[in-house]
Amino acid sequence: NAGVTQTPKFRVLKTGQSMTLLCAQDMNHEYMYWYRQDPGMGLRLIHYSVGEGTTAKGEVPDGYNVSRLKKQNFLLGLESAAPSQTSVYFCASRLAGYNEQFFGPGTRLTVL
Amino acid sequence: GNSVTQMEGPVTLSEEAFLTINCTYTATGYPSLFWYVQYPGEGLQLLLKATKADDKGSNKGFEATYRKETTSFHLEKGSVQVSDSAVYFCALISGYSSASKIIFGSGTRLSIRP
Repeated sequence: NAGVTQTPKFRVLKTGQSMTLLCAQDMNHEYMYWYRQDPGMGLRLIHYSVGEGTTAKGEVPDGYNVSRLKKQNFLLGLESAAPSQTSVYFCASRLAGYNEQFFGPGTRLTVL
Repeated sequence: GNSVTQMEGPVTLSEEAFLTINCTYTATGYPSLFWYVQYPGEGLQLLLKATKADDKGSNKGFEATYRKETTSFHLEKGSVQVSDSAVYFCALISGYSSASKIIFGSGTRLSIRP
């Protein structure tokens, strides 16, 4: 049982480049989340999904897109990266009917 | 809206000292409360939780009691170790539905000196 995994672990982009972060979970959880973590600000919700084929905006969705084509995967895309998107990105998942979230190890993204 | 406020860090203590990290919350209804821990270079791990008033969550020597009258969920440990050095996040969630989202505090960095 790998839990929640994220790829890549680190990435450096130039302004305007695009990339996709992959989150995968093997716990058959219905709900999945993408957060960003910035110093002194805790975790802020970017987008989330309550099931395959459905996504919704969180607290800070601008500049990001997501897709949930398979239940176990949740992709976060940056179409045109900006320095303000330099952050650590965490994926999490949760089983319906329970309120504990399980987190991945994070992706550290730097946009130059 | 719901919110979580926790004491600012960093907090630096000597090994075997007593630890308190304060957390207060604002929420409608009866939220569940959590403490998550983030060790260097890792993701967040659930440390303990409490789902109703007066519940005490405990794990690895850490404890926190859900106090509805003071809307608090302070984290305590009687004797800290160097291995407890990490960032600690207080969090809450109201409900169990798909619309229920977890709200995090800003985190408190704890450093323990040998």
